[in-house]
Amino acid sequence: NAGVMQNPRHLVRRRGQEARLRCSPMKGHSHVYWYRQLPEEGLKFMVYLQKENIIDESGMPKERFSAEFPKEGPSILRIQQVVRGDSAAYFCASSPYGQGQETQYFGPGTRLLVL
Amino acid sequence: RKEVEQDPGPFNVPEGATVAFNCTYSNSASQSFFWYRQDCRKEPKLLMSVYSSGNEDGRFTAQLNRASQYISLLIRDSKLSDSATYLCVVKTPSNTGKLIFGQGTTLQVKP
Repeated sequence: NAGVMQNPRHLVRRRGQEARLRCSPMKGHSHVYWYRQLPEEGLKFMVYLQKENIIDESGMPKERFSAEFPKEGPSILRIQQVVRGDSAAYFCASSPYGQGQETQYFGPGTRLLVL
Repeated sequence: RKEVEQDPGPFNVPEGATVAFNCTYSNSASQSFFWYRQDCRKEPKLLMSVYSSGNEDGRFTAQLNRASQYISLLIRDSKLSDSATYLCVVKTPSNTGKLIFGQGTTLQVKP
């Protein structure tokens, strides 16, 4: 049973380019969370999605950032016109139901470096 | 004030030592509490959940004091392999299940 998968593991972009980060949840999980970890900081919640729905995007910057979780395929976190401050590790987590006590399982993360 | 606060350390201890980490949280309505472990900025992995009655898993003991909004983790007989960053995590009282992470406490166990 494969765990949460994220790709790419490392992504280098120049300022102004777009970054697309992908997350495939564990089999049977229909809830996805995205977190960002800036250098020397803890993880910060960005967005929570169910299939085809954004449930909570309270942690996501209002501009340049968007997320989706289509009916088929992985969840995508998209950052337009990247800036140096977007350099961070982006972790995706999945859970079966999204509420209650169940554990969130984390993927290996995507390290984004903006030059 | 941060929602979850931890002493970042680092804690440098010899093998076999007992070490304790503390954490405070600001939202008194928080319902679920966890300790995660993160190695070299890899993905966080759940170490243990924390219950009001306290709970133990081998060399690890977690305690929760709701009145003081305080969580602790005790590691006995430290091993070299315990070297990592320990993240105090609180699940928000909303029904979305999002996790609030402390910045982590770094532990370095030396031979």
